[in-house]
Amino acid sequence: KAGVTQTPRYLIKTRGQQVTLSCSPISGHRSVSWYQQTPGQGLQFLFEYFSETQRNKGNFPGRFSGRQFSNSRSEMNVSTLELGDSALYLCASSFPRGKQSQETQYFGPGTRLLVL
Amino acid sequence: AQSVTQPDIHITVSEGASLELRCNYSYGATPYLFWYVQSPGQGLQLLLKYFSGDTLVQGIKGFEAEFKRSQSSFNLRKPSVHWSDAAEYFCAVGPLGHQGGKLIFGQGTELSVKP
Repeated sequence: KAGVTQTPRYLIKTRGQQVTLSCSPISGHRSVSWYQQTPGQGLQFLFEYFSETQRNKGNFPGRFSGRQFSNSRSEMNVSTLELGDSALYLCASSFPRGKQSQETQYFGPGTRLLVL
Repeated sequence: AQSVTQPDIHITVSEGASLELRCNYSYGATPYLFWYVQSPGQGLQLLLKYFSGDTLVQGIKGFEAEFKRSQSSFNLRKPSVHWSDAAEYFCAVGPLGHQGGKLIFGQGTELSVKP
């Protein structure tokens, strides 16, 4: 079974631009979560989508947004890029098993974004 | 507040030596716990997870971890380290079910292996 894929793998943008990152989950997985990883702040949760609806949201400004399509693929968008948005953006997928069950997240390779 | 602490930022061990990476968590509800490993420039690979039951869990690559509720700890161990184990290790905690997407990670422990 193919793992989580993310495109593009590397991206260079300039301040003020916007960017869209894509994530394809493992086949059959319906939940997609996004994380930002930086040397200073570590791994921080951005948001999670399940069945095309945002289910959880982290503490990031509104410039960070996302969506999920009917095939569970997800995109995240960052508008008006700032230097501090330079990071590795990781996507993870899981197969929700219900309220009292664990959800194991499987991560993609990430998209490395550099903002100049 | 929910948090995960990995007290050791960097650890160096000799190849063949045993390894223990520490993880302490603060969580209001029953947590489920993970260890992930990240090689340079890569994503996170799941090593093992704990939800309930036996407090000693086995993972891939010869790793194991022990959940100690009284100490709020979930330490990762390996009896004999290989050079290929050099990487960064992350402990994470998360809730059940519908909040499952929101993992909280520790700051990571970078492992170096001496030949």
